[in-house]
Amino acid sequence: EDKVVQSPLSLVVHEGDTVTLNCSYEVTNFRSLLWYKQEKKAPTFLFMLTSSGIEKKSGRLSSILDKKELFSILNITATQTGDSAVYLCAVHLINYGGSQGNLIFGKGTKLSVKP
Amino acid sequence: DGGITQSPKYLFRKEGQNVTLSCEQNLNHDAMYWYRQDPGQGLRLIYYSQIVNDFQKGDIAEGYSVSREKKESFPLTVTSAQTNPTAFYLCASSRRELGNGQFFGPGTRLTVL
Repeated sequence: EDKVVQSPLSLVVHEGDTVTLNCSYEVTNFRSLLWYKQEKKAPTFLFMLTSSGIEKKSGRLSSILDKKELFSILNITATQTGDSAVYLCAVHLINYGGSQGNLIFGKGTKLSVKP
Repeated sequence: DGGITQSPKYLFRKEGQNVTLSCEQNLNHDAMYWYRQDPGQGLRLIYYSQIVNDFQKGDIAEGYSVSREKKESFPLTVTSAQTNPTAFYLCASSRRELGNGQFFGPGTRLTVL
């Protein structure tokens, strides 16, 4: 059975700290891995990773994928209270026949940044 | 402005009633998705559609139905056969190649009384 596991499930830090969120997966027909930030309602897209070892970076956020060890990490440096959210990891699968498959989401990591 | 909208924001239903949740996008995306989110859980896929007049079941399709008659619209019907329908429902759309990920609507919170 395909699965995506995120850890930790929740995390409390203080402003200025650096955090690392983990996402491991066991799936057939991996296509890509995506990270989302969900604050109150709709998740917003952060990164899509398809190749191992290539870091994607956006401001204080960065992410990298290891396709050999089947995991990805999301780093946030110099955290701010506005980073408080649930961070979701999803793996995109390829259907048999090569057509676009669906996404499998992890349960998320709830990050709370205290002032 | 381009975006994806869902309505209503909150919906209350009596047991035994069917309800339809609306999802519309003007992003010209080919693919659309419905997810269910329960407290402490990730998103679980109900149905997805990659093209008009075609859709596939996700992991938890039982008790739900969809249609895709227009590219812009992907309504979800929660039928009385769904035994535990109280949840937060999210609709999303994307390009076929998912290059920019999915764009999510604001969600509909359904409560069965």
